[in-house]
Amino acid sequence: QVQLQESGPGRVKTSQTLSLTCTVSGASINSYGFYWSWVRQYPGKGLEWIGYKYYTGSTSYNPSLKGRVAISLDTSKNHFSLDLSSVTAADTAVYYCARERISSSSYYFDYWGQGALVTVSS
Amino acid sequence: SYELTQPPSVSVSPGQTASITCSGDKLGDKYASWYQQRPGQSPVLVIYQDTKRPSGIPERFSGSNSGNAATLTISGTQAVDGADYYCQAWDSTTIIFGGGTKLTVL
Repeated sequence: QVQLQESGPGRVKTSQTLSLTCTVSGASINSYGFYWSWVRQYPGKGLEWIGYKYYTGSTSYNPSLKGRVAISLDTSKNHFSLDLSSVTAADTAVYYCARERISSSSYYFDYWGQGALVTVSS
Repeated sequence: SYELTQPPSVSVSPGQTASITCSGDKLGDKYASWYQQRPGQSPVLVIYQDTKRPSGIPERFSGSNSGNAATLTISGTQAVDGADYYCQAWDSTTIIFGGGTKLTVL
């Protein structure tokens, strides 16, 4: 059974960098066909895709985040991480890590972590 | 930018059929996925590639997609199906989610 678990600070100060880690069990992040992603959910419930990284090093990020985001993989620990810089209160959300499947033009998330609430304040 | 529009809420009686729509420009030319999210829980994939059900998802969940709308249909709705449902698609460079529909089973 594939499981994902987020970890990291629950509170970040304005203008600093939000950093979260997702530990994966039951699957290798070094596997063909699986992309490792982050999705956030705002307090009003809307979902927003942040981006993904593939084991080959390929990445894709939501253009709306304008270069503030970086996702990295650590295959030795079988975990991946999110860094979001220059945060503001608008970045307050529940952050989910997820496994993404991509085939032709089909994109979907088949496993999700439990979510980590991150609050940005001064 | 591309948008997916869902009704904020849908109500259904137990045992009846619930339909939740997701509208977007030429959505039928893209693949749609659907997620169920119960209160306090993470989203769960219930439909992918328009019509496919992941292992473990009951047969009463089905999907379709054509023209400008995708539809999630729940046949013989049960009380346990009460949740928020989100559609999702990919557009050129970004994955897009609909705003979500709260399904109430009365």
